[in-house]
Amino acid sequence: AQTVTQSQPEMSVQEAETVTLSCTYDTSESDYYLFWYKQPPSRQMILVIRQEAYKQQNATENRFSVNFQKAAKSFSLKISDSQLGDAAMYFCAYRSASRNYQLIWGAGTKLIIKP
Amino acid sequence: DTGVSQDPRHKITKRGQNVTFRCDPISEHNRLYWYRQTLGQGPEFLTYFQNEAQLEKSRLLSDRFSAERPKGSFSTLEIQRTEQGDSAMYLCASSSRGRTSGANVLTFGAGSRLTVL
Repeated sequence: AQTVTQSQPEMSVQEAETVTLSCTYDTSESDYYLFWYKQPPSRQMILVIRQEAYKQQNATENRFSVNFQKAAKSFSLKISDSQLGDAAMYFCAYRSASRNYQLIWGAGTKLIIKP
Repeated sequence: DTGVSQDPRHKITKRGQNVTFRCDPISEHNRLYWYRQTLGQGPEFLTYFQNEAQLEKSRLLSDRFSAERPKGSFSTLEIQRTEQGDSAMYLCASSSRGRTSGANVLTFGAGSRLTVL
């Protein structure tokens, strides 16, 4: 069975600085997708960025980028120029290409932005 | 379209009572998902519909839980004889099917929080 591990329950960063959130996963599959979702307090889960496992190039969305290391089964999220609005729970999630209806989630990392 | 809507946002009930949650997905999405999220944890998959057909159910979905999606539009999740362990946030999400870059990317609702006393 696939598992997703986020080893940092909480991270804090100074506004305008850069922070990296860690995620590792375990799978025997070669075709899958990885996601980072953001969940602000009392608000819905929002997709931040996604990565297809077959792509070697790391995904980037404005200030958000990932470091995808397929062999190491690592998928970290880098947030540059942190803003107060980035404060939220961040979840890493895995989706198999064959069981594409189910996301498997990590426990989340709470990101605190210090003004 | 205002996104995925869930109702009610909060529900407090006594143990043993039945509760029902409703989810209205994005209108052009044919896939609908229910997840459960307990405090301090990531969501756990409960069930999945494609149009009106319930194609997958997690073992987490005990006999007290039932989900429907009549006519492939809105969905309901009913919990019978609630237990304190059912207290959680119930998340609904929807997605489209296809090979575009946006296909099968889940859009979530704000969730329905259940508290069982």
